[in-house]
Order: sequence, then structure tokens, then C-alpha cells
Amino acid sequence: DAGITQSPRYKITETGRQVTLMCHQTWSHSYMFWYRQDLGHGLRLIYYSAAADITDKGEVPDGYVVSRSKTENFPLTLESATRSQTSVYFCASSELGDRGNGYTFGSGTRLTVV
Amino acid sequence: GQQLNQSPQSMFIQEGEDVSMNCTSSSIFNTWLWYKQDPGEGPVLLIALYKAGELTSNGRLTAQFGITRKDSFLNISASIPSDVGIYFCAGGGGGSNYKLTFGKGTLLTVNP
Repeated sequence: DAGITQSPRYKITETGRQVTLMCHQTWSHSYMFWYRQDLGHGLRLIYYSAAADITDKGEVPDGYVVSRSKTENFPLTLESATRSQTSVYFCASSELGDRGNGYTFGSGTRLTVV
Repeated sequence: GQQLNQSPQSMFIQEGEDVSMNCTSSSIFNTWLWYKQDPGEGPVLLIALYKAGELTSNGRLTAQFGITRKDSFLNISASIPSDVGIYFCAGGGGGSNYKLTFGKGTLLTVNP
């Protein structure tokens, strides 16, 4: 099916564990983004990518790692999860970046760190 | 960095009422976008605006791109319960290296 999919939808992990959130898009969009959404903070950009093998830090990158070996995948890894990383994470992709019709978002991953 | 001030932060209205929300910025944008996020889902694009002064409708929704290119508003007419959600504005083409700048959202609650 065409679109952008995130997995898992829900995840509970323990403090200190490594966890990877997956994002896959079928449009071959060049641009991909990871956001976290917390009450009172709106959407905050964690990392973004302009193409395969090109990634850059966003507003809140500490504690996160990304890779983009293939255009369609943009996994987000929490190297050692902390309670402050409990959040809802959204992946997005875009053909034209901040132009055109903007971004298409996935349905999100709700992560709880206990 | 660039910031968008979105207001109000939240609204509680009765079904059938009209709603208005807006975004302002100290920076110029070349594109304004409005998204809606339903509970438990990701934001979905409602309206895209590409030209200063442009007024665009999508059903009961109307949005305008301010002539100064520093603001935009979204109106919803005759609200219904399924309008509940968070509405985000976003500015693009403002020199942020292909990243959109998002407002913090307006939480809309509609009382049937």
C-alpha cells in the first residue's frame, strides 16, 4: 500500500534500553523528518534528511540517532532510553521539502519509557 | 530561529458555531499550510496557500495567506463534532532549508 507507515504503534521500554522506531515511505520522497509531540510543546523536530545518506540535527537531537541508507526508510534510535523521551513520535516525508504541499505524516508511535 | 505564534491555544465551542484561529510570525513565509490532527493520528493537510492575499476554501474551512506574508488565518464555519482535534499552522519557504516551521497548535473541542 502506498503511504508512510510507522512501527510499532505502541512501545513500552525500560530506562537504559536501546529502542528503534521505524519509518517507511513508498513515494520515494527525498525529504524525511522525525518529530516528537509533547503537551505544551507542539511538534519538535528531532532529525531530518534531504536524501539517502544525508541527515542533520533538528531542534531536540540529544539522545537520538538516525540513519538513512535507503531513500524509503528513516529509522530513529534511542540509544539509551530515558523517561524524558516518553512521547509520541511522528515521521513525515515530503517531495519538495517546505514547498508544495508540505509534509505527509505517519500515524505515530506512542513510546513509554518506564 | 523562526517561530510561529498560533492562537488561541484552545477553544471550547458549541456545535454549529463558527471558529477562527490564526498564526503570526516575525518572518516572511512563501507558503502557509494548515493541518488537522485527529486524536491518536498524525497531522493531515487541510489547506495549502501559496500566494500573499490568497483566500482558499475546502468545504466549511477557509484559510487566507496574509498580504504581509507574516500571518495566516483559518476559519471553520458551522462546526460539527468531528471537527474536534488539534489544528496546526505551518510556514514554508522562509529560508529554513526545506524545513517547515510549525505553530504549537490550537486544540478545538466541540460540544454537541
